[in-house]
Amino acid sequence: QKEVEQDPGPLSVPEGAIVSLNCTYSNSAFQYFMWYRQYSRKGPELLMYTYSSGNKEDGRFTAQVDKSSKYISLFIRDSQPSDSATYLCAILNNNAGNMLTFGGGTRLMVKP
Amino acid sequence: DTAVSQTPKYLVTQMGNDKSIKCEQNLGHDTMYWYKQDSKKFLKIMFSYNNKELIINETVPNRFSPKSPDKAHLNLHINSLELGDSAVYFCAIGRRGRQETQYFGPGTRLLVL
Repeated sequence: QKEVEQDPGPLSVPEGAIVSLNCTYSNSAFQYFMWYRQYSRKGPELLMYTYSSGNKEDGRFTAQVDKSSKYISLFIRDSQPSDSATYLCAILNNNAGNMLTFGGGTRLMVKP
Repeated sequence: DTAVSQTPKYLVTQMGNDKSIKCEQNLGHDTMYWYKQDSKKFLKIMFSYNNKELIINETVPNRFSPKSPDKAHLNLHINSLELGDSAVYFCAIGRRGRQETQYFGPGTRLLVL
């Protein structure tokens, strides 16, 4: 079992839809939870990070963490074609060399 | 100005060759990383390095070695290239104590024939 699991998709939605992207993880020692967006042939860019259970909002993006069920989500409201990309969740364990562990990414396509 | 730059962008080479990929940053962050992203988009840490500490992912073959000539650069040397080394390699930077915030370079696409 991988430490971080993510459905690879692709997930195809119409413009304006609410998108839900999810990850599960296995190690309860993980302390920080990040979402990265990666456009085709580009490097990942950090969207949001959080370290506690609950919600964190930034514009159209909301990150949600449920540590009790080891489940993290990213919600995108009013999705736009420019949101079409691969979304990678990443988790950091400060006690294990401070290295990020990534999920495999979910490819999102927002159709106009 | 791009915070993290990599050269070359593309690298095509023969099996058995030795090659290097360069990474340069201009944010003054103290920690640099190398990641490998395979054909299935799975991104995996290879090395974490600052001027005091090198942390190596135990799954990385010793044919791979990071070399830092100064604080702004972390180059990746690969000896005796194999077909399975074909991937996209990303350099990233961060700050010690703030590893949750990392900035990635544009990637180097390596193809081993």
